Amino acid sequence: DQQVKQNSPSLSVQEGRISILNCDYTNSMFDYFLWYKKYPAEGPTFLISISSIKDKNEDGRFTVFLNKSAKHLSLHIVPSQPGDSAVYFCAATTYAGGGNKLTFGTGTQLKVEL
Amino acid sequence: SAVISQKPSRDICQRGTSLTIQCQVDSQVTMMFWYRQQPGQSLTLIATANQGSEATYESGFVIDKFPISRPNLTFSTLTVSNMSPEDSSIYLCSVEWWDYGYTFGSGTRLTVV
Repeated sequence: DQQVKQNSPSLSVQEGRISILNCDYTNSMFDYFLWYKKYPAEGPTFLISISSIKDKNEDGRFTVFLNKSAKHLSLHIVPSQPGDSAVYFCAATTYAGGGNKLTFGTGTQLKVEL
Repeated sequence: SAVISQKPSRDICQRGTSLTIQCQVDSQVTMMFWYRQQPGQSLTLIATANQGSEATYESGFVIDKFPISRPNLTFSTLTVSNMSPEDSSIYLCSVEWWDYGYTFGSGTRLTVV
């Protein structure tokens, strides 16, 4: 049972344009969501997170939007840069004092073209 | 955020043998997590390791296959035992660091031949 889904395995965007990566979840107990970027031969790197009490969180070029009623979140990268080319994972957890496991989506390969 | 050193970074092993992966954190942490990423797949949690207690394994993972040690608050090991080609994966350790999300090691790429 895939509780966190990223339905687009790949996305190609031109440099300078917006990249939108989507993620859906099924478990209504999830209340904290994270996005990670992963380059080959490296571990995932934390990008941005959002609590279920918010619907938007912004950090520089990265913005995460959460639609709880639709159980959907998205990561916007503006403007996209060639260095953003990587695999992006969304993850979800139930934050009850910390120490809870992350459930990951299957990832979206983003390619930013010149 | 915490810095995690994980080794080896990669290994090629014969089937039937075992490999121990080490994870060293530069800060004391309560919980450490071990994940597996099979080729083309997502990251799947193997187990959660608390210092001074038995690791808690997720469904589908057992201690005999993936024994874990957690001797102190900065170190943990994961052993992949009696390996088969199906164990070929990237293995990652992680710690909880809430201000920065969970932090991951660089991973161990295991190939079983």
